[in-house]
Amino acid sequence: DAKTTQPPSMDCAEGRAANLPCNHSTISGNEYVYWYRQIHSQGPQYIIHGLKNNETNEMASLIITEDRKSSTLILPHATLRDTAVYYCIVRTGTGTASKLTFGTGTRLQVTL
Amino acid sequence: NAGVTQTPKFRILKIGQSMTLQCTQDMNHNYMYWYRQDPGMGLKLIYYSVGAGITDKGEVPNGYNVSRSTTEDFPLRLELAAPSQTSVYFCASTLPDGYGSNEQFFGPGTRLTVL
Repeated sequence: DAKTTQPPSMDCAEGRAANLPCNHSTISGNEYVYWYRQIHSQGPQYIIHGLKNNETNEMASLIITEDRKSSTLILPHATLRDTAVYYCIVRTGTGTASKLTFGTGTRLQVTL
Repeated sequence: NAGVTQTPKFRILKIGQSMTLQCTQDMNHNYMYWYRQDPGMGLKLIYYSVGAGITDKGEVPNGYNVSRSTTEDFPLRLELAAPSQTSVYFCASTLPDGYGSNEQFFGPGTRLTVL
């Protein structure tokens, strides 16, 4: 699976959009971009994933560049409860038993 | 659905002791996983299973054993506990590749300290 690079930490004011970047310059054509987050010491929680099109769900939006070498997770109106570590993960869609390789992620701090 | 449940929540072991971390899921997921997370680090895969009777090593399997006799249960065994196994252990499950989003559902974790 391709390696990902994320900033170690970011701050965001409550109510503003949080834009979390991720670089995955060695991504292959059949690899998906997944985002998970981990609030405090809880188990990670799935947020969203995509292949090459932008995706949106009730939690967030995922913007993937046309060359697929980077992506941005957008939390449109961050709240204090969004304070967490966010993991960007690239994995192949089939034949890998859906295994995930976690990096150290981005610690997002949402402040008043 | 209860989702993925893990027991115990906390445990302190002495060096050389053994224990089994329990994991159960009620979502009829074929794939199950065990991860460990050391302080300030991401999760690392210990073992995984794609179905009952099938298990395979992940990135850090040394010192651990698993079994998968049913779809629901995936216990993790520590035979001779060492201080290096002090960590938080997470169990997760998902459907096979190609089914839905393949999101992994995680349990609440077991915090293990080996002294």
